[in-house]
Amino acid sequence: EADIYQTPRYLVIGTGKKITLECSQTMGHDKMYWYQQDPGMELHLIHYSYGVNSTEKGDLSSESTVSRIRTEHFPLTLESARPSHTSQYLCASTRQGREKLFFGSGTQLSVL
Amino acid sequence: GENVEQHPSTLSVQEGDSAVIKCTYSDSASNYFPWYKQELGKRPQLIIDIRSNVGEKKDQRIAVTLNKTAKHFSLHITETQPEDSAVYFCAASRAGGATNKLIFGTGTLLAVQP
Repeated sequence: EADIYQTPRYLVIGTGKKITLECSQTMGHDKMYWYQQDPGMELHLIHYSYGVNSTEKGDLSSESTVSRIRTEHFPLTLESARPSHTSQYLCASTRQGREKLFFGSGTQLSVL
Repeated sequence: GENVEQHPSTLSVQEGDSAVIKCTYSDSASNYFPWYKQELGKRPQLIIDIRSNVGEKKDQRIAVTLNKTAKHFSLHITETQPEDSAVYFCAASRAGGATNKLIFGTGTLLAVQP
């Protein structure tokens, strides 16, 4: 079934660990996005990509990095996790020329 | 860059009443204004959107209005039901280009009391 998938759904790790949050979509979408959602609800754009080998930083500064080697895959990496990174991370995608965003189920990250 | 403000942050209504959520945007070049609904523990989903070439759009019990001059737009939900309880986000972007990105408002937690 065409969808956008995020793994893991929940992640609890210790400070200093390197982590990668996975995001894959099977809809052939060109554009992909990472949003960070605070416990207080706000959705902040932290990274986006308009195609393979294209990545840009969003409006909220983030210590994470992303890569887009394949159209369907847009992983987010934190080299050294800290408690301040605790949040929900939502991946989204859309087709070129369209505006409707399709969201993944999110990864709830807790850094102890 | 674009900045989107949303009010109120929380809204409690009785079942059957109407609910109105308002947003303002800063970028006069923005031309696409969607609304997303996020139920507890679930992903945000698009419920309605409006483009700058129209002033109002309706879909059953929900409607969105846009005032380009004042740079604000609103979501109206009539005859609210308990299943309308969720967080609602407005957003704005410059649609139609290759590099459009959606900027969200701060969200409104709507609680419909049975």
